Amino acid sequence: QQPVQSPQAVILREGEDAVINCSSSKALYSVHWYRQKHGEAPVFLMILLKGGEQKGHEKISASFNEKKQQSSLYLTASQLSYSGTYFCGATADRGSTLGRLYFGRGTQLTVWP
Amino acid sequence: DTEVTQTPKHLVMGMTNKKSLKCEQHMGHRAMYWYKQKAKKPPELMFVYSYEKLSINESVPSRFSPECPNSSLLNLHLHALQPEDSALYLCASSQDAGGTPYEQYFGPGTRLTVT
Repeated sequence: QQPVQSPQAVILREGEDAVINCSSSKALYSVHWYRQKHGEAPVFLMILLKGGEQKGHEKISASFNEKKQQSSLYLTASQLSYSGTYFCGATADRGSTLGRLYFGRGTQLTVWP
Repeated sequence: DTEVTQTPKHLVMGMTNKKSLKCEQHMGHRAMYWYKQKAKKPPELMFVYSYEKLSINESVPSRFSPECPNSSLLNLHLHALQPEDSALYLCASSQDAGGTPYEQYFGPGTRLTVT
């Protein structure tokens, strides 16, 4: 039930944009996005629920396409502080959620000055 | 305060030792989690406690024994570990672990090395 993330790695210059995708072969109920810097704990970015909503937080936003069972994380005008590994976590359905998050393998994002 | 604390930060133990990892949160969260993370891999769920009761055990070997003494504390007791158990152990908490998915707040982790 592990979601599939792509790409595996992204290298950007400061100010450039990036998109990270997270997809699942099973019906998704919610998608959670986290960023983890080397040697640190994952930090929560946002949750999207089934329903195709889009959320934004400064220059980082995300969408959830229910038809495609896919979520995308958009990073615009990237900053050095955006560097890290981005994980999506998915829950399958409301009934069996019980906090069980399945994480994708991660996307390593590197932003150079 | 959105902080989850974990002690110790680093732990080195032999295969015959018994040790415990501790986790604490004061956000009033009723769900707490243990994850294991190997280098360059995603966190892997081990246990979920909901309202101080064990609700999920992801087929974790019995040499790992979780305990939730109260709603703020979570322990992971370790005994007779193997070198392949060396990893970063992350604790997390969320408002609840029921039908509505809530964000999970992670602690800084304990880096465990089994020799």
